[in-house]
Amino acid sequence: DQQVKQNSPSLSVQEGRISILNCDYTNSMFDYFLWYKKYPAEGPTFLISISSIKDKNEDGRFTVFLNKSAKHLSLHIVPSQPGDSAVYFCAASEEGSQGNLIFGKGTKLSVKP
Amino acid sequence: GAGVSQSPSNKVTEKGKDVELRCDPISGHTALYWYRQRLGQGLEFLIYFQGNSAPDKSGLPSDRFSAERTGESVSTLTIQRTQQEDSAVYLCASSPSGRSLETQYFGPGTRLLVL
Repeated sequence: DQQVKQNSPSLSVQEGRISILNCDYTNSMFDYFLWYKKYPAEGPTFLISISSIKDKNEDGRFTVFLNKSAKHLSLHIVPSQPGDSAVYFCAASEEGSQGNLIFGKGTKLSVKP
Repeated sequence: GAGVSQSPSNKVTEKGKDVELRCDPISGHTALYWYRQRLGQGLEFLIYFQGNSAPDKSGLPSDRFSAERTGESVSTLTIQRTQQEDSAVYLCASSPSGRSLETQYFGPGTRLLVL
């Protein structure tokens, strides 16, 4: 029973356009959400996070939006660049937990020049 | 080093053999996590160490899996009598103090293939 779901296994976007990666969760106790980016043969790299008290967090080309009522978050990358091509994982941790993360299955983003 | 390191980077073993995977966390990080990623799946939590507290082993899939950590440094994950379904990338992460609002930093992983 997946608590964090990334329903799109892949996404293809043209360079310069916006990439939108989506993530849904079922556990209302999650209070911290993160996006990780993973290149082949490397470990996941932290990208951006958001706590449940916010609905938006922005860092350069990356913005994460959180809709708690819908239990949905999204990562926007604009403008997309070919170097953004990677697998993106959504992760969440539960309030009061020791911080072990619950991950989605990932979305493979391909940005075409 | 500056980041989390893991060894070996790749391991091929025969079914039934034991394997030992190593993780060196970021210096000063008291929390250490092990995750597993099977092909086409997300990362699956295995075990968590925080300082001198008893580890949280709730994610270990069977009693063939065990892990140790010496103080706040190196950790080893041991898989006994490996099975083909143990084939996965085993990832280690560390964070400064293990609180729920902290970022975890991952190592490159160990790719385990059980034949």
